[in-house]
Amino acid sequence: ETGVTQTPRHLVMGMTNKKSLKCEQHLGHNAMYWYKQSAKKPLELMFVYSLEERVENNSVPSRFSPECPNSSHLFLHLHTLQPEDSALYLCASSQVEGDGPPGTDTQYFGPGTRLTVL
Amino acid sequence: GQQLNQSPQSMFIQEGEDVSMNCTSSSIFNTWLWYKQDPGEGPVLLIALYKAGELTSNGRLTAQFGITRKDSFLNISASIPSDVGIYFCAGGDSGGSNYKLTFGKGTLLTVNP
Repeated sequence: ETGVTQTPRHLVMGMTNKKSLKCEQHLGHNAMYWYKQSAKKPLELMFVYSLEERVENNSVPSRFSPECPNSSHLFLHLHTLQPEDSALYLCASSQVEGDGPPGTDTQYFGPGTRLTVL
Repeated sequence: GQQLNQSPQSMFIQEGEDVSMNCTSSSIFNTWLWYKQDPGEGPVLLIALYKAGELTSNGRLTAQFGITRKDSFLNISASIPSDVGIYFCAGGDSGGSNYKLTFGKGTLLTVNP
């Protein structure tokens, strides 16, 4: 399945580093999502972009900065992270129907980036 | 906020056995989705349900959208070793925040050959 790709697959960074996660969807969708998955916790929605505009920011710390330059690409810029930010970061995409906010239409996930903050 | 109660948390079964897991909520959902996640990978969609009462199959998998719209179950028949993984349910609504999916905590399935 190569509908949604993410790079890198693994990332180790120090607390003072700056890095970026990349997501690309090849499904022709118009909405993209960033999730955080920590051990023994449900998936946590971080950011939602619909038609390249951010429509949701779930009180995510400013050390996470998303960017959506077009409907196929989504980035998550990371800086001055904390060890508790270590997790699997998942990107997903879906197709929004109509002119309203993104629908709950089926989301397709990428393989994730395993982030370790030292 | 909305919450999904997914059970069981984990299951240990013998190859060939049938498996059943479910999700319940106090909230109504318009969409129920079932995903499987292998270690180190992202969730893969198994079955999507869009109508109350809908019963859908995908090979050995069968899922139903509860008639009350507050629950869903997933059955796996004749389990095989590659069924091992974490199964997640997700509910979606078409309310004001209709871009959100609410996820269960997952069911860890182990299949003994």
